[in-house]
Amino acid sequence: AQSVSQHNHHVILSEAASLELGCNYSYGGTVNLFWYVQYPGQHLQLLLKYFSGDPLVKGIKGFEAEFIKSKFSFNLRKPSVQWSDTAEYFCAVNRGSTLGRLYFGRGTQLTVWP
Amino acid sequence: EADIYQTPRYLVIGTGKKITLECSQTMGHDKMYWYQQDPGMELHLIHYSYGVNSTEKGDLSSESTVSRIRTEHFPLTLESARPSHTSQYLCASSDRGQGWMNTEAFFGQGTRLTVV
Repeated sequence: AQSVSQHNHHVILSEAASLELGCNYSYGGTVNLFWYVQYPGQHLQLLLKYFSGDPLVKGIKGFEAEFIKSKFSFNLRKPSVQWSDTAEYFCAVNRGSTLGRLYFGRGTQLTVWP
Repeated sequence: EADIYQTPRYLVIGTGKKITLECSQTMGHDKMYWYQQDPGMELHLIHYSYGVNSTEKGDLSSESTVSRIRTEHFPLTLESARPSHTSQYLCASSDRGQGWMNTEAFFGQGTRLTVV
């Protein structure tokens, strides 16, 4: 069974629509949580991260994510998407119990129509 | 500028050939990783290293091998390429953080390998 689940494989939105991409993980214990983005033809880049503290984290380009420990979730949100947000988005988990190995979800392809 | 470099970006090679995918980072990171990425699938960890002379196999079984003789260099080798090795290979690095936590990974641009 997948340990990091991303619920949507492909999301299509119009510009200015709101975005929420789901991510759930199945690990207990200490975790770090990440969202990475891969724009067409480019390398994976960090969008935002959660290590500890405020469960609502803000990243680059207006993205934010909320860590809900009781739900093992780390959903990504953006109030108003732009055409330039078209990319693939990956949720990832770093597990303390496995010395920081990074586990990824399958990714969500976001297509934004102008 | 600190960065992580992979070469080549694209490689098409015949079955049975030996290949080495290069990965170098200029950030002085202790930890380096190789991931395999297929379309629509999660990234699978195939090798990682905690430092010089340290290499470990990841979660996805791979016929490739790696070496870590220098901190900045983490090449991946396939002794005899096969069509089943066709995939994208991503290299990444991270620093120690706190007990290998609270640290982010930086990725190279990847090598897309096609074995014909």
